[in-house]
Amino acid sequence: QLQLQESGPGLVKPSETLSLSCTVSGGSISSSTYFWAWIRQPPGKGLEWIGSIYYSGSAYYSPSLRSRVTISLDTSKNRFSLKLTSVTAADTAVYYCARRGGGSGSLDFWGQGTLVTVSS
Amino acid sequence: DIQMTQSPSSLSASVGDRVTITCRASQSITNYLNWYQQKPGKAPKLLIYGASSLQSGVPSRFSGSGSGTDFTLTISSLQPEDFATYCCQQSFSTPHTFGQGTKLEIK
Repeated sequence: QLQLQESGPGLVKPSETLSLSCTVSGGSISSSTYFWAWIRQPPGKGLEWIGSIYYSGSAYYSPSLRSRVTISLDTSKNRFSLKLTSVTAADTAVYYCARRGGGSGSLDFWGQGTLVTVSS
Repeated sequence: DIQMTQSPSSLSASVGDRVTITCRASQSITNYLNWYQQKPGKAPKLLIYGASSLQSGVPSRFSGSGSGTDFTLTISSLQPEDFATYCCQQSFSTPHTFGQGTKLEIK
């Protein structure tokens, strides 16, 4: 069974960089069938798609975050990562990683999520 | 970006009721529409993909329909475990935007 697990600091200072990793077990991120995605959810609010990356390294980002976000792959550790620069309180959210199916584009496996708070 | 609008934003219903939630896209997304269920403190769970295909393991009381811009999620007979928030998502073009969610509460 595929499992995804987010990891990283739960507290980040304003103007600094948020860095999270998603370790995948039970499957390979090098598969050509899937994309790997990041989604976030501010407290009490809806889901926001951040971006996704293909096994080739091609990445797609939300236009609203494109100038600050980078998603990358580490195939040696079977994990993918998110970096978000110049964070503000508005970036406080639960961050989820997920697998995106290649056909329908649906997010069929999710990590449990990790809360990142931006505060000094 | 494609905007996804769900209605209603909240809904009260009883066990055994038939419930329908609507999702409208700001432009045609053919059938690239997915539905998720989310319970408090948990990650979303995929229910329906491709507008009408039931994800493996999801009870058959859940169904989806629609194409183009208008879509519906129907729960044929509500069970106690179905009280949650439901969210649609388009995967037609990036960014793969979500609807704002519909909170289904017990009447």
